[in-house]
Amino acid sequence: SYELTQPPSVSVSAGQTASITCSGDKLGDKYAAWYQQKPGQSPLLLIYQDTKRPSGIPERFSGTNSGNTATLTISGTQAMDEADYYCQAWASSTACVFGGGTKLTVL
Amino acid sequence: QLQLQESGSGLVKPSQTLSLTCAVSGASITNSDYSWSWIRQPPGKGLEWIGYISHSGSTYYIPSLKSRVTISLDRSKNQFSLRLTSMTAADTAVYYCARLRSDGFDIWGQGAMVTVSP
Repeated sequence: SYELTQPPSVSVSAGQTASITCSGDKLGDKYAAWYQQKPGQSPLLLIYQDTKRPSGIPERFSGTNSGNTATLTISGTQAMDEADYYCQAWASSTACVFGGGTKLTVL
Repeated sequence: QLQLQESGSGLVKPSQTLSLTCAVSGASITNSDYSWSWIRQPPGKGLEWIGYISHSGSTYYIPSLKSRVTISLDRSKNQFSLRLTSMTAADTAVYYCARLRSDGFDIWGQGAMVTVSP
């Protein structure tokens, strides 16, 4: 079965750039999405189709996807960005997979 | 404004069946631009996709649950439902309904905590 691998945790100093990776076999051939989840809240879609931001998502969130790795980049990281982040992709047109999640700590 | 709201049994006994409903307001579940999905999250763990149903009623499930899960549409009430049989403690989780659009889940319900306990 298809798997997406994320680092369990990432730390970043406030104001710096955070990068969270998501690895999967030929992931670049599929569309990746990214979600933010804060404690006690439902996930929030940040990025879809690799690079697109839904309305209302700040420009400091961006995504790329190439080869075997998709990356979520948060520029000018703020304290409010501390959360769990999940990547998601479609292993096939009818089978969805989530990564295990990355806890982002803002120092 | 589009909203999704889960409802249903919060406590289920082992071997029994879970039934959850997701009421959709602000959009029609028959709109061909969207599909409708269930996703769950065990306490302290990550997200697991359960399956989705298209606007026309076609269903797709995660293989590990395929023998126990049914997702259905109720067009008259503009809602969709999840049925999961033979529940065990491993099925204890927060269950989310979500709208699927352009390969991403763009709108989520608030989540329903389901506990499997005797």
